[in-house]
Amino acid sequence: NAGVTQTPKFRVLKTGQSMTLLCAQDMNHEYMYWYRQDPGMGLRLIHYSVGEGTTAKGEVPDGYNVSRLKKQNFLLGLESAAPSQTSVYFCASRKAPGTSALLEQYFGPGTRLTVT
Amino acid sequence: GENVEQHPSTLSVQEGDSAVIKCTYSDSASNYFPWYKQELGKRPQLIIDIRSNVGEKKDQRIAVTLNKTAKHFSLHITETQPEDSAVYFCAQTNNAGGTSYGKLTFGQGTILTVHP
Repeated sequence: NAGVTQTPKFRVLKTGQSMTLLCAQDMNHEYMYWYRQDPGMGLRLIHYSVGEGTTAKGEVPDGYNVSRLKKQNFLLGLESAAPSQTSVYFCASRKAPGTSALLEQYFGPGTRLTVT
Repeated sequence: GENVEQHPSTLSVQEGDSAVIKCTYSDSASNYFPWYKQELGKRPQLIIDIRSNVGEKKDQRIAVTLNKTAKHFSLHITETQPEDSAVYFCAQTNNAGGTSYGKLTFGQGTILTVHP
């Protein structure tokens, strides 16, 4: 049981380049989230998904797109990277509310992205 | 929208002392309040959480208290040890259903340093 995994771990992009970050979870979680973490600002929600084929905007969605074609995977895309997108990106997942009392979000190890 | 203020931003204590971190929130519908610990270069990990129907919860050396009327909740760490040194984040969400989907709003983080 690997939990939540992210690839790649590190990446350096030039301004204007594109890339996709992959998040995968093997816990059969319905909900998945992408956050970015910047110094002194905590974690901020970029996009989230409540099920396969569904996505929604979070607090800071501009410049990012997401897709959830399979329940276990949640992809975060940057179409034209900007220096302001230099950050550490974390993916998280959790069970949908229901009979389970578990509300915890489980985080992946993070991706450190630098845009020059 | 939801807002969480966390204080202090840095906290330095001697080993064996207690540490207290406080968060205030604005959304009266919030009903789930987790605390995450993040060591340098690692992912956030849940250390304790509390639901709005409980005023206090304890797990060995850590405890969380919730004051719904005043809209604040606090993390208490007793008998601190050097390995408690990390960044601590509070968060809040409304897990009662509807459209919140468990989205967490995080505080800005507290850097705790425990000196031997």
